[in-house]
Amino acid sequence: NAGVTQTPKFRILKIGQSMTLQCTQDMNHNYMYWYRQDPGMGLKLIYYSVGAGITDKGEVPNGYNVSRSTTEDFPLRLELAAPSQTSVYFCASTTAGAGEVYFGPGTRLTVT
Amino acid sequence: GENVEQHPSTLSVQEGDSAVIKCTYSDSASNYFPWYKQELGKRPQLIIDIRSNVGEKKDQRIAVTLNKTAKHFSLHITETQPEDSAVYFCAASIGLAGGYQKVTFGTGTKLQVIP
Repeated sequence: NAGVTQTPKFRILKIGQSMTLQCTQDMNHNYMYWYRQDPGMGLKLIYYSVGAGITDKGEVPNGYNVSRSTTEDFPLRLELAAPSQTSVYFCASTTAGAGEVYFGPGTRLTVT
Repeated sequence: GENVEQHPSTLSVQEGDSAVIKCTYSDSASNYFPWYKQELGKRPQLIIDIRSNVGEKKDQRIAVTLNKTAKHFSLHITETQPEDSAVYFCAASIGLAGGYQKVTFGTGTKLQVIP
């Protein structure tokens, strides 16, 4: 299994541009998450999904959108990028019940 | 909602010494407490976890203790080595309806092991 994969690894955006961060998992996990991690800080939940077609806001959803058309994929859309969105973005997934959260390798995004 | 506090935010120890990181949580319904290690530039990875029906768990040089009454849990690393240098996150998890797991992470502890 590849686990959780993310693309791209790095990206530089200009203010006002848009982009989609891709996330795919091959573990048949129902639950998927997007976190952001600012330099030297902890993990903040942006959006999560409990299954295909079902998404909900986390702690810091403003400026982002998500969709979940399949169990495997959970893309994160940034509209009108702002410098405050400079961060490392981690996609993650879990199976039902209490257990390990599997993180992707992260996308390092810089907005200038 | 759940609130997880983690202390200290930074910790420096000499190689071979022990390191202890402490977390408290607020929601008594939390029933799963994992610890993640994040090396510089990498993803967080699970190193040990404990469930609410257990008071202590050990895996080689790392151990976790849980006090449900006081709502706190701790990570203990013995005989620290330079490769233990990383950021460590605690988390508290509540199982919700339908199997969804609500995970709340602590703010992280940057551990530096000095050779």
